[in-house]
Amino acid sequence: DAKTTQPTSMDCAEGRAANLPCNHSTISGNEYVYWYRQIHSQGPQYIIHGLKNNETNEMASLIITEDRKSSTLILPHATLRDTAVYYCIVRAPRTGNKLTFGGGTRVLVKP
Amino acid sequence: DTEVTQTPKHLVMGMTNKKSLKCEQHMGHRAMYWYKQKAKKPPELMFVYSYEKLSINESVPSRFSPECPNSSLLNLHLHALQPEDSALYLCASSQYDNYNSPLHFGNGTRLTVT
Repeated sequence: DAKTTQPTSMDCAEGRAANLPCNHSTISGNEYVYWYRQIHSQGPQYIIHGLKNNETNEMASLIITEDRKSSTLILPHATLRDTAVYYCIVRAPRTGNKLTFGGGTRVLVKP
Repeated sequence: DTEVTQTPKHLVMGMTNKKSLKCEQHMGHRAMYWYKQKAKKPPELMFVYSYEKLSINESVPSRFSPECPNSSLLNLHLHALQPEDSALYLCASSQYDNYNSPLHFGNGTRLTVT
């Protein structure tokens, strides 16, 4: 799978948009970008995934650059409950069902 | 709350014990997964079942034995574990066994081996 690079940690202000970057410069054309988050003492929670186009759902928006080498997860109005570790994952067809987690970004939403 | 239910939530076992972890989903998903997560580390894949057949074993020691009795249930049988096997064990499921099908996780079983 293509490797991803994320900041180790970041702080966000409550009520503001949180923009979480992810670099995946070695991504192949048929590999999906997935985002998960893990709140303390819970299992990972699926947020969103995309291939080429930008995606939006009730939780977040995923912006993928045109060259697909990076992406940004946007939480439109961060709340204290969004404090979590956020994982950006590239998932490849050649690895079948594998979803391989990297280090993630520890996001702290502050009042 | 998640739609993947794991029991028990906590388990303490000795190194000579035999125990089982249970995972259940009723979403009609056809792929199920076991992950292991050590403290302050990301989850690591252990096993994948696709249509009730084991499709991926990430070189997991034989003291961990998975079982998929039917499409809704996934078990992890534990025997002769070591203290270093203490971790959070996560189960997940996905609708299809392909890379465009998101995984949905349970909240895990926290295992302590004494």
